[in-house]
Amino acid sequence: SQQGEEDPQALSIQEGENATMNCSYKTSINNLQWYRQNSGRGLVHLILIRSNEREKHSGRLRVTLDTSKKSSSLLITASRAADTASYFCATPRGGNNRLAFGKGNQVVVIP
Amino acid sequence: GAGVSQSPSNKVTEKGKDVELRCDPISGHTALYWYRQSLGQGLEFLIYFQGNSAPDKSGLPSDRFSAERTGGSVSTLTIQRTQQEDSAVYLCASSGLAGGETQYFGPGTRLLVL
Repeated sequence: SQQGEEDPQALSIQEGENATMNCSYKTSINNLQWYRQNSGRGLVHLILIRSNEREKHSGRLRVTLDTSKKSSSLLITASRAADTASYFCATPRGGNNRLAFGKGNQVVVIP
Repeated sequence: GAGVSQSPSNKVTEKGKDVELRCDPISGHTALYWYRQSLGQGLEFLIYFQGNSAPDKSGLPSDRFSAERTGGSVSTLTIQRTQQEDSAVYLCASSGLAGGETQYFGPGTRLLVL
């Protein structure tokens, strides 16, 4: 799992398997977002889940949000080699919605 | 349409030199953010621009860092008298609405200070 103080997590799976990663946060939120980063460069927005939602799907992605536990999970089903990346959760903070990121989960999908 | 672009992709400089990093946001996006990603600190917010409003500089780590946004579009992040701890990937993001929820990131500039 990832949160402000934890080290990044690493996950290695076979192609076709599901990958699950977790994130926790500390403050109240309006929404939580997941981003993917390839090769340490730009981040790609994957999905946004609002605080009044418990689960959301987008293609092979499934995100859950538990505001009582201040945690979220991202599930990637039927993983592909192209899913190899680092995955970050982020929550908007302050009036300018600047993003506060978790430490990230590194996922390696073995063909 | 074009996404967020940043230049240069990579920059190697000597300690004490000044560097300028450029960000071209998505056309029409009013909000622009700079973040820094380093091994020790993860992803950190640096500065936020929204239209013609005064920028939120609360994330800048020292007075050696400054940024401007000309004409509400292109932004330049300047680091003066660079230090080795400034080595990081500098990421720019823009969003369409005032404080919009989804931020679109550029590919980043990897800065190495020797």
